[in-house]
Amino acid sequence: DTGVSQNPRHKITKRGQNVTFRCDPISEHNRLYWYRQTLGQGPEFLTYFQNEAQLEKSRLLSDRFSAERPKGSFSTLEIQRTEQGDSAMYLCASSLVAGGDYGYTFGSGTRLTVV
Amino acid sequence: QKEVEQNSGPLSVPEGAIASLNCTYSDRGSQSFFWYRQYSGKSPELIMFIYSNGDKEDGRFTAQLNKASQYVSLLIRDSQPSDSATYLCAVNFGNEKLTFGTGTRLTIIP
Repeated sequence: DTGVSQNPRHKITKRGQNVTFRCDPISEHNRLYWYRQTLGQGPEFLTYFQNEAQLEKSRLLSDRFSAERPKGSFSTLEIQRTEQGDSAMYLCASSLVAGGDYGYTFGSGTRLTVV
Repeated sequence: QKEVEQNSGPLSVPEGAIASLNCTYSDRGSQSFFWYRQYSGKSPELIMFIYSNGDKEDGRFTAQLNKASQYVSLLIRDSQPSDSATYLCAVNFGNEKLTFGTGTRLTIIP
């Protein structure tokens, strides 16, 4: 059990480019969550999966954002046509049972800077 | 709109004293409450959760919940410089996701 793993740790991209982040949850965890955190704010919910099914998406997740979790294992979060407002820490978390009951284990995050 | 409110601080506490962090939330029906610690540049780390009214103790940490007042707090006894961090309060409003406050920045003064 190596914890939740996120790659890359840092990403700098030019405005208008597409970026993709990867999250590998703790191996037996069937629930996976994506959050976004900007400076001075708490994490904001983006979306979550139970196994391979994406069960909820926040209104924050515009149509430029897409997340997948093929085969219920790792997940990817893609942002198309990045904007400067997308600069943030993108956090992935996983849990074995309903995360709202016992809390999540977060990964180290991917820090995105759009220039 | 379901909200979690925290005083952003900074809160400065002398080493060895008790640090008291407070959080209020908007939905009386909320069931579970969490405190996360976040060091600068790092991801949040779960330190405590509480479901029932009253106190829950874990080492130097005590979480206190008052559902009637919609109030949850975290006490840190014998504060250490390593406790300097941002403390995030999070609430489960009845579904899978947690709603976080903006966090309180705590500084322990040696």
